[in-house]
Amino acid sequence: NAGVTQTPKFRVLKTGQSMTLLCAQDMNHEYMYWYRQDPGMGLRLIHYSVGEGTTAKGEVPDGYNVSRLKKQNFLLGLESAAPSQTSVYFCASSYPSGSGAYNEQFFGPGTRLTVL
Amino acid sequence: AQSVTQLGSHVSVSEGALVLLRCNYSSSVPPYLFWYVQYPNQGLQLLLKYTSAATLVKGINGFEAEFKKSETSFHLTKPSAHMSDAAEYFCAVRNYGGSQGNLIFGKGTKLSVKP
Repeated sequence: NAGVTQTPKFRVLKTGQSMTLLCAQDMNHEYMYWYRQDPGMGLRLIHYSVGEGTTAKGEVPDGYNVSRLKKQNFLLGLESAAPSQTSVYFCASSYPSGSGAYNEQFFGPGTRLTVL
Repeated sequence: AQSVTQLGSHVSVSEGALVLLRCNYSSSVPPYLFWYVQYPNQGLQLLLKYTSAATLVKGINGFEAEFKKSETSFHLTKPSAHMSDAAEYFCAVRNYGGSQGNLIFGKGTKLSVKP
């Protein structure tokens, strides 16, 4: 049971380049999330998904797109990277609504992205 | 809307001293509250959570937190700090708005432990 995994762990991009971050979970969770972490800002929600084939915007969605084609995977895309997107990105997942364990989120190890 | 405020971005204690990390929340409904710990260059690990079952919540590594509705607080404590407790700690509340169920995080408190 690997939990939540993220690839890659590190990436350096040049302004204008594109990339996709992959999140995978093996806990059969319905809900998945992408957060970004910046110094002194805590974690902020970028996009989220409440099930396969569904996605929605969070607090800071601009410049990002997501897809959830399979229940276990949640992809975060940057079409044209900007220096302001330099951050640490965390994926998380949780049990379905109504479950007693619904409230807890499980986090991946993070992806450190630098945009030059 | 829910929110959390962590008082103090940096806290320094001596090894063996009491650890107290402060978190106040704002919520119009009974909140679900969490403390997460992040060690350097690692992901977030759940320390403990409050889901209304008991006001005093015990977590891993000797940490505990007490939910005080009258003070809208959920402070994290540990009686005796250890060097390995040096990390960043995040308080979070579950977002009831909409269907997303995401966590709303405080800005974090970095704990330093002096020998």
